[in-house]
Amino acid sequence: GAVVSQHPSRVICKSGTSVKIECRSLDFQATTMFWYRQFPKKSLMLMATSNEGSKATYEQGVEKDKFLINHASLTLSTLTVTSAHPEDSSFYICSALGTDTQYFGPGTRLTVL
Amino acid sequence: AQSVTQPDIHITVSEGASLELRCNYSYGATPYLFWYVQSPGQGLQLLLKYFSGDTLVQGIKGFEAEFKRSQSSFNLRKPSVHWSDAAEYFCAVGDVSGGGADGLTFGKGTHLIIQP
Repeated sequence: GAVVSQHPSRVICKSGTSVKIECRSLDFQATTMFWYRQFPKKSLMLMATSNEGSKATYEQGVEKDKFLINHASLTLSTLTVTSAHPEDSSFYICSALGTDTQYFGPGTRLTVL
Repeated sequence: AQSVTQPDIHITVSEGASLELRCNYSYGATPYLFWYVQSPGQGLQLLLKYFSGDTLVQGIKGFEAEFKRSQSSFNLRKPSVHWSDAAEYFCAVGDVSGGGADGLTFGKGTHLIIQP
């Protein structure tokens, strides 16, 4: 149980375009989901907390207009990277909160050319 | 602000040998503590967690961790490693005041290499 999926697993896009990443909890409902960013050889950095039916809470330094988060249902949260630039290239990981533990998706590798 | 330190970037262990991965945290009280493992192409998998109670926590795959308040540590151990244990290991802390519903603060990870 407690499986979280992400789609796509890899995406390559041109600079200036937008990319949407989906995060789904497959076998449980998650009121709260989280989005993290992982740089090479670095730890995961929390970007934002997504609560179903309300606005996301962003960590300091994360541009909310660039990283749009929508959590429209108890099993789906989306992260849209708007007007992507090469510096947005990274590994994006979501997690869904179960009873008291976060379950992580496999991640999405974004490359912006 | 809370922080997590994993002092060892890489650790190499022979198959069958014992393992200890170090984790130190900085937090105002006793946080929620987690160890996750990340294998290539796979998501982070929870090995074990500590919220309260017995300070020696048993996890999956034969791992255990001991919470030591006096040392602000939560080291991960395994008595005998297998080649399949080669992966990236992350220690993380959560804010108790959030009841486990807050985002986690991660250490930078320890890359475990298993020698045959």
